[in-house]
Amino acid sequence: GAGVSQSPSNKVTEKGKDVELRCDPISGHTALYWYRQSLGQGLEFLIYFQGNSAPDKSGLPSDRFSAERTGGSVSTLTIQRTQQEDSAVYLCASSGDAEKLFFGSGTQLSVL
Amino acid sequence: SQQGEEDPQALSIQEGENATMNCSYKTSINNLQWYRQNSGRGLVHLILIRSNEREKHSGRLRVTLDTSKKSSSLLITASRAADTASYFCATDVNDYKLSFGAGTTVTVRA
Repeated sequence: GAGVSQSPSNKVTEKGKDVELRCDPISGHTALYWYRQSLGQGLEFLIYFQGNSAPDKSGLPSDRFSAERTGGSVSTLTIQRTQQEDSAVYLCASSGDAEKLFFGSGTQLSVL
Repeated sequence: SQQGEEDPQALSIQEGENATMNCSYKTSINNLQWYRQNSGRGLVHLILIRSNEREKHSGRLRVTLDTSKKSSSLLITASRAADTASYFCATDVNDYKLSFGAGTTVTVRA
């Protein structure tokens, strides 16, 4: 596609529920990133995928968070048993050279 | 933890004025990037400067890099209302991971 697409754009969920966030990267980009941005804060690295290599999961804050990337394209970030502190904007980015990142518009997650 | 820190946290200027913001970082880098974020949207890449470069221009943007002081500045000349946004510096932690600062919020008044 023309840009990185994320869905849903907004998600409101109840504490304890599981959520899935989707990212469609730019076609041909082998690198895919998930970042989290809390209100008024910078971006917190979550996970990085590059081609068929093992992902760098070092930024995932707890074992409730997981992500997969199927067929080297679409990625899904799953948060199990959501907590209020998970409320944030989740940003996906892709890159063709692992230098310049192209971001999606993000998913605003609100956990009530 | 964040590698880069922007200063000031917020900046308000009149349309037509210049806006300058700074970024300081802690460890050596290969490159430093600046991104812009309009309210409620994803980040947009503005400019990348490599560690062996001292200054780079792109349209109304001018970026400087001083590796001895571990700092960079972003200058926006002749600001416009559309420049109202948050600006983030990002440094490379390794050959693929970027560390972003908390950003500078710029408001351009008409």
